[in-house]
Amino acid sequence: QVQLQESGPGLVKPSETLSLNCGVSGFSISSGYNWDWLRQPPGKGLEWIGSIDHRGRTYYNPSLKSRVTISVDTSKNQISLKLSSVTAADTALYYCARHEIVVVFKPFDIFDFWGQGTMVTVSS
Amino acid sequence: SYELTQPPSVSVSPGQTASITCTGDKLGDKYINWYQHKPGQSPMVVIYQDTKRPSGIPERFSGSNSGNTVTLTISGTQAMDEADFYCQAWDSSTVVFGGGTKLTVL
Repeated sequence: QVQLQESGPGLVKPSETLSLNCGVSGFSISSGYNWDWLRQPPGKGLEWIGSIDHRGRTYYNPSLKSRVTISVDTSKNQISLKLSSVTAADTALYYCARHEIVVVFKPFDIFDFWGQGTMVTVSS
Repeated sequence: SYELTQPPSVSVSPGQTASITCTGDKLGDKYINWYQHKPGQSPMVVIYQDTKRPSGIPERFSGSNSGNTVTLTISGTQAMDEADFYCQAWDSSTVVFGGGTKLTVL
């Protein structure tokens, strides 16, 4: 069974960089799939942050692209998220998830495994 | 950027049919997934590629795509189905979610 576990500081100061890790067990990241970060601000809906595939190719939400870096460490079987210059608007429950993307004539995708999420609060 | 629109809330009586819509431009050209999100839990896919149901998802969940509107239907709705539901698409190498619909089972 594929399992994902987010980890990182629960409190980040404004203007600093938010850093989270997502450890994957039960599946080798280098075997394939995309690995994504998503978030849900309190009282709001799901927001996609970005994606990285096993080769390190990244795709980012255009609204966050200038502040986001997603990386993969296959030796640790984990992915990482860095979000710079955070503000209170970045306070959210952050999830990592496995993302299957099939690019054919009519592309399809699915988020099939999710972590439990980790709450990050931006406050001084 | 591409947008998906959902009603903020839908109410249904136990045992009745709930329908949650998701609209967007040229939706027939895309596949839509539906996720159920309960408080304190991770989101879970209940319908993928418009109409397919993952193993373990009850048969009362079904989906349809009729061009510019995609619909999640829950037949014989149960109290345990109360949750937020999100439609989701993959468009131009980005992931798009609808704003979410809170399903209340009265």
